[in-house]
Amino acid sequence: DFVMTQSPDSLAVSLGERAAMNCKSSQTVLYHANNKNYLAWYQQKPGQPPKLLISWASTRESGVPDRFSGSGSGTDFTLTISSLQAEDVAVYYCQQYFTTSSVTFGGGTRVEIK
Amino acid sequence: QVRLVQSGSELEEPGASVTVSCKASGYTFTDHAVYWLRQAPGQGLEYMGWINTNTGGTFYAQGFRRRFVFSLDTSVSTAYLQISDLSVEDSAVYYCARDSGGIVGGIFVYWGQGTLVTVSA
Repeated sequence: DFVMTQSPDSLAVSLGERAAMNCKSSQTVLYHANNKNYLAWYQQKPGQPPKLLISWASTRESGVPDRFSGSGSGTDFTLTISSLQAEDVAVYYCQQYFTTSSVTFGGGTRVEIK
Repeated sequence: QVRLVQSGSELEEPGASVTVSCKASGYTFTDHAVYWLRQAPGQGLEYMGWINTNTGGTFYAQGFRRRFVFSLDTSVSTAYLQISDLSVEDSAVYYCARDSGGIVGGIFVYWGQGTLVTVSA
């Protein structure tokens, strides 16, 4: 089974500053046949369903601001918010989708304003 | 536009059963699987599995293979989640979701608004 571990559990960042969070998978999510990482990031605000931000580790969804970026490969990934805005306060989850029989999520990172 | 609209909150006693519905619109229902996910209060997301809306085939993730049933009514573009023999540990928000529609599944682009199921005596 894939175990996804996110760190830190929470972080507080000043408005306009950079926020970065990590996601580590217990197994590689890189499929060598197509050289793609089966890793997504979601944002969840209170009382709302999650919103897909990034798939394939680094591909932003349409409409997602370019201050959000994803990086990493294999087992180690990072979501970065380059300049934190008030509306970015949320919990962020990573998810692997290597197969639809083994989809798993990380425990989440809560982002707050310092 | 793609929409997934779920049924309203439920309050049930332990041992009862509950059914959550997820009505899809804005696309051909039988072209995309419906996934189910759970989020306990203050907790993270758990993947429950999926139902193939074309064949009715299902997959249940570990931990959701005994009391959980996915079903369909394609005539009204609706998927259902039935949970039997409820316990307090089943109290959670249940989400239906649809993926991006590409070759690879499991990228959850579209989500229902969630249905809160509360189990309490």
